[in-house]
Amino acid sequence: AQSVAQPEDQVNVAEGNPLTVKCTYSVSGNPYLFWYVQYPNRGLQFLLKYITGDNLVKGSYGFEAEFNKSQTSFHLKKPSALVSDSALYFCAVRDNNAGNMLTFGGGTRLMVKP
Amino acid sequence: DAGVTQSPTHLIKTRGQQVTLRCSPKSGHDTVSWYQQALGQGPQFIFQYYEEEERQRGNFPDRFSGHQYPNYSSELNVNALLLGDSALYLCASSWGTVNEQFFGPGTRLTVL
Repeated sequence: AQSVAQPEDQVNVAEGNPLTVKCTYSVSGNPYLFWYVQYPNRGLQFLLKYITGDNLVKGSYGFEAEFNKSQTSFHLKKPSALVSDSALYFCAVRDNNAGNMLTFGGGTRLMVKP
Repeated sequence: DAGVTQSPTHLIKTRGQQVTLRCSPKSGHDTVSWYQQALGQGPQFIFQYYEEEERQRGNFPDRFSGHQYPNYSSELNVNALLLGDSALYLCASSWGTVNEQFFGPGTRLTVL
């Protein structure tokens, strides 16, 4: 079975500072990893994905994520946070051997303060 | 280019009733997946439709059923509604079954 853990319910960061939102995963096969963002009363917006190749993945709105196979992690990062980045962030995994089902973490609320 | 659209936006039902939610995929997409997002939780996979057939199913009872039409649009049906079915229901579409999924705004279902 595949699973995702987002250990922090909320991350607080000051505008202009770097941010990290943590994600660890568990799959039996090769992982496909995704980050999505959800704004209030909205669906999920795709940010970035890791399929294979370079461990550092760049995505939308200046976000990037680093795949670490030995630590089974896929942390989301941004060098300089904006107040408008405040939202709910979800990490998701798909086991390459288990179809196209996405398994999501519980979400991390990012609060960026001016 | 229209993204994934869902209807209705909100819905209120009572226990025991039946409900149908609708989804139109993003242009060019042929695969539709449905997810349930309870308040304060991450989305949970219900099932996926491709070529008008259910291809994969999550851990949901048979009360949850679906359909995909030749134009790739899809419906989610829930019978014998329970209070615990109250959630945001998200539809996601993709091109093929293995590419990234794009989500609609969701339908918020409240069961009283």
